[in-house]
Amino acid sequence: AQTVTQSQPEMSVQEAETVTLSCTYDTSENNYYLFWYKQPPSRQMILVIRQEAYKQQNATENRFSVNFQKAAKSFSLKISDSQLGDTAMYFCSLPPSDKTTSGTYKYIFGTGTRLKVLA
Amino acid sequence: ETGVTQTPRHLVMGMTNKKSLKCEQHLGHNAMYWYKQSAKKPLELMFVYSLEERVENNSVPSRFSPECPNSSHLFLHLHTLQPEDSALYLCASSRSGGLQETQYFGPGTRLLVL
Repeated sequence: AQTVTQSQPEMSVQEAETVTLSCTYDTSENNYYLFWYKQPPSRQMILVIRQEAYKQQNATENRFSVNFQKAAKSFSLKISDSQLGDTAMYFCSLPPSDKTTSGTYKYIFGTGTRLKVLA
Repeated sequence: ETGVTQTPRHLVMGMTNKKSLKCEQHLGHNAMYWYKQSAKKPLELMFVYSLEERVENNSVPSRFSPECPNSSHLFLHLHTLQPEDSALYLCASSRSGGLQETQYFGPGTRLLVL
């Protein structure tokens, strides 16, 4: 079964500094996608960054980058030059590659990391 | 934040009430989803619709009844809910329902069942 683990329930970082959020996962698939979503307080969840497992190069989106280690099944998110607007819940997600043996799709989200950027 | 809208944003209902949650997407997508987000629990996928056909029902109790009249609108009809159904209900859409697509989320409806 696919799993996603975010081991840091809460983190804080000073404005302008760098922070890394961890995510580990388990899957038997060889080709898959991984996502980081951000949910600001009382606002919509939005995509932060997406990584395709067959691509060795780590995805980057402006101040956001990932450290994708396929063999270790690790998918951490690095936020550089943290801004107050980065304060949010961050969810790591591993979509299903196919239906499970019970015939359902299991979109797997981690329990989230609550990040607070301090002024 | 106008891509996916949800109404109402907040809802309080008794266990004997009947209410409906509405979701509308303005992105031209063909797939829509309902999720339940409870405190300290991972997001739970409830229903998936692709081209107005329900393609997924993740063992959700029958007191939750989805409806997708067209590719832009999705409803979740609620009746005889339980207090443990109190949660944030998120709607999302994606381009065509491919399992690896980015999902676009609405702001959610925060539901409290008394």
